Amino acid sequence: GNSVTQMEGPVTLSEEAFLTINCTYTATGYPSLFWYVQYPGEGLQLLLKATKADDKGSNKGFEATYRKETTSFHLEKGSVQVSDSAVYFCALRNRQNYGGSQGNLIFGKGTKLSVKP
Amino acid sequence: NAGVTQTPKFQVLKTGQSMTLQCAQDMNHNSMYWYRQDPGMGLRLIYYSASEGTTDKGEVPNGYNVSRLNKREFSLRLESAAPSQTSVYFCASTFASGGGRTDTQYFGPGTRLTVL
Repeated sequence: GNSVTQMEGPVTLSEEAFLTINCTYTATGYPSLFWYVQYPGEGLQLLLKATKADDKGSNKGFEATYRKETTSFHLEKGSVQVSDSAVYFCALRNRQNYGGSQGNLIFGKGTKLSVKP
Repeated sequence: NAGVTQTPKFQVLKTGQSMTLQCAQDMNHNSMYWYRQDPGMGLRLIYYSASEGTTDKGEVPNGYNVSRLNKREFSLRLESAAPSQTSVYFCASTFASGGGRTDTQYFGPGTRLTVL
C-alpha cells in the first residue's frame, strides 16, 4: 500500500537556521510527491511538488528533491524566518488509477515548525 | 474567485445530533474531497467525489454520508454525531483528467467541530 512517513516534531529553530524535515514514502507505481504547509488557523496550501525522479520542487526558498533510490522527498530551507512557523505535510499521489482513486493524496502526520526570533 | 469555501467555521454539537458541513468551489474542478485532521494523525480521507454524480469511500467513512449536489458543491453529513467525530474537517478540490494526471488540490479553511 501507499504510505508517507515524516519526522515527528515539533521542531524549534532560531531565525536564519537551516531546516530539514525528512520524508520517506512507500508506493506502488510512480507517485507524485508534495509538500503542503498549514499556517495557524488556516487550511493547507501547496508549497512545492515533484512529479518524477530527480525533479526538484522549489518555492519561497524551500526545496525538495524526489529521490527514487532512497524513496525520499526531504524538505530543506537554508535560512528560516519567524513567518515560516507552521505545520508541514509531506504527501504522495499515485498516478496509477486504483479503483477510481486517482488524485487522492496520502499524507504524512505533519511536522510542526516553530521559529524563534 | 473565492476558491474553496466551507461553512460553518465552528460548530459544537451534542452526542446524537446531526449536521451538514457545506463545501463549494468556484474553480470548475471536477473532483472534490472531505478530510478530517486529528492531532498526530495528519489528514485522513473520509469521502471523495471523482466527478459530478459519483462518490466513493475513503479511509475513514464510517459515521458520515456525502452528497455531490452539483459540480460546485459537496456536502458532508453526520447523522448521529459522536465524540470521536470531534475534529477539524477540510474540503478540497482539484481537476482530475482521465489520463491519471491531476492538478494541485486546493483546500478550504476548515470547520472545527466539537461533539460533547
